[in-house]
Amino acid sequence: DAGVIQSPRHEVTEMGQEVTLRCKPISGHNSLFWYRQTMMRGLELLIYFNNNVPIDDSGMPEDRFSAKMPNASFSTLKIQPSEPRDSAVYFCASSFGPIEEAFFGQGTRLTVV
Amino acid sequence: AQKVTQAQTEISVVEKEDVTLDCVYETRDTTYYLFWYKQPPSGELVFLIRRNSFDEQNEISGRYSWNFQKSTSSFNFTITASQVVDSAVYFCALSGVDSNYQLIWGAGTKLIIKP
Repeated sequence: DAGVIQSPRHEVTEMGQEVTLRCKPISGHNSLFWYRQTMMRGLELLIYFNNNVPIDDSGMPEDRFSAKMPNASFSTLKIQPSEPRDSAVYFCASSFGPIEEAFFGQGTRLTVV
Repeated sequence: AQKVTQAQTEISVVEKEDVTLDCVYETRDTTYYLFWYKQPPSGELVFLIRRNSFDEQNEISGRYSWNFQKSTSSFNFTITASQVVDSAVYFCALSGVDSNYQLIWGAGTKLIIKP
């Protein structure tokens, strides 16, 4: 398996624009996680899906953020409208279950100017 | 509430030295899981080990070893004969019922191995 695949690797966008980050989890994994990493706040869990259903979205910062998982092999994280403070590295991770080890994608480095 | 403390913000050693990264955790759960991840300069997060609370045996994998002690709520990570390629940020994490099995992350320890 190729591992968790995220796209794009880098994204630079202007404030106010919509940004969509994409993730393909490892085949067979039932849990999918979106994280954000910044120097100031470290790693933050944004949302967690189990069997394509959002289980915990308490980490989503505000209504500008939304995430979907239409099927077991694809998830998106959307920010609309984007703001400079959204600049961070966004990681997607997947696992066989919530207590199993999670495997991370290479991340998307988002810069909002 | 669950908490993970990695008190060492940054450690710098010379290649071939042994180095231990500390991890102290807090939890009210009786069943919980502990993890270590490595984040090299390239940025990806690499899984190293997962341990459940009922297994206190020390683990060794090549130059890496882990010491889990429930009595001191610690899960320390030792690299023997360190190499430059070990330079990275290392994260300790905890999950359990109290966190709805979400990973609670430590702040990370930046390890610098000098040649």
